[in-house]
Amino acid sequence: AQRVTQPEKLLSVFKGAPVELKCNYSYSGSPELFWYVQYSRQRLQLLLRHISRESIKGFTADLNKGETSFHLKKPFAQEEDSAMYYCALRTGGFKTIFGAGTRLFVKA
Amino acid sequence: GAGVSQSPSNKVTEKGKDVELRCDPISGHTALYWYRQSLGQGLEFLIYFQGNSAPDKSGLPSDRFSAERTGGSVSTLTIQRTQQEDSAVYLCASSLGLGPTEAFFGQGTRLTVV
Repeated sequence: AQRVTQPEKLLSVFKGAPVELKCNYSYSGSPELFWYVQYSRQRLQLLLRHISRESIKGFTADLNKGETSFHLKKPFAQEEDSAMYYCALRTGGFKTIFGAGTRLFVKA
Repeated sequence: GAGVSQSPSNKVTEKGKDVELRCDPISGHTALYWYRQSLGQGLEFLIYFQGNSAPDKSGLPSDRFSAERTGGSVSTLTIQRTQQEDSAVYLCASSLGLGPTEAFFGQGTRLTVV
């Protein structure tokens, strides 16, 4: 079965602290993974995708096929990073499924 | 339009009534998705359209839910005999449908069943 698991519903860190949002997936094929973010009163939008190996707003995510994980990391959290983060898996049929989301709260 | 447009932005309906939610995807996007966003439930996949292929309806929670996409563009999500548990934000997204492309989301329709 195809599944995306984000074990933490809420993650609270202090400004300047490292942050890691966990994502694990279940998929028998070759996965395409994404992180989406939703800031307060804004639309859900793409943050980054694994295939691009990019760093966006200081965030990076590495696909670990052995552990079937795609954790999102940032070395120094900022208050403006506070948002809802969703990990997403796009299957070979182009259907995209999302995890339950993790709300990140960065405290001053 | 420049982005995915959904209407109405807010809908309050009485329990038992039918509702229709509309989505205008980005022009040229062959893939269209409907999701439901509930407090504490995250983003729940409902249905997916890709080109002329039969839609993937595997996420529809009951037979009260249906969706259609006319002419490969505009989509309508219909909920019949609404129940209070249908209250949520319904999100539509579209993508090019080919390759590892991102999904672009609409602003959502907040449905409240009273």
